[in-house]
Amino acid sequence: QAVVTQEPSLTVSPGGTVTLTCGSSTGAVTSGHYPYWFQQKPGQAPRTLIYDTSNKHSWTPARFSGSLLGGKAALTLSGAQPEDEAEYYCLLSYSGAPAVFGGGTQLTVL
Amino acid sequence: EVQLVESGGGLVQPGGSLRLSCSASGFTFSSYPMHWVRQAPGKGLEYVSAISGNGGSTYYADSVKGRFTISRDNSKNTLYLQVSSLRADDTAVYYCVKGNGWGNWGQGTLVTVSS
Repeated sequence: QAVVTQEPSLTVSPGGTVTLTCGSSTGAVTSGHYPYWFQQKPGQAPRTLIYDTSNKHSWTPARFSGSLLGGKAALTLSGAQPEDEAEYYCLLSYSGAPAVFGGGTQLTVL
Repeated sequence: EVQLVESGGGLVQPGGSLRLSCSASGFTFSSYPMHWVRQAPGKGLEYVSAISGNGGSTYYADSVKGRFTISRDNSKNTLYLQVSSLRADDTAVYYCVKGNGWGNWGQGTLVTVSS
């Protein structure tokens, strides 16, 4: 089973920009991994922000965007708000195998 | 409005079994693959299992293969996860998730494996 890696923690200033990344032990992440990004706040179920690399749900704030960057999936937050402080997880799909979550990134807005 | 409501969790002894259920409403259940995801206390998300819309295809994480069985009853709009040979490290909140965009998560049901 592949290993999916994320930064354990990141800090961003209010109004600032930060990029979270999601890598795969099998090599470069491509659109064929259908990257997903989830946000989870303490005591709550996760919420899906991004699916299939860059698609947003109706509830996804415009300041979040998904992309592929340097062989990884990326989630960019532009104009961070205090309410964006949360744990963020990525998920990658692998052909013929179960999908795999990354270990999560704790984002602090400070 | 899409709703996913899990049930069936509880306290079970090591080696025991449970059947988790996820009752779905607000969408054409049979048209969507469904997933189970779990989260151990204080830990990250772990992908557990998936099933296609017609139930013909299933996937399992290596950690649960041979012990867990995913199924669905499209006539009852219900997803199931039979969990057996439970171990302490299966203790977690189990979430069901609607496939194709993963736009909807249930609130989760807690499974605690302890003697």
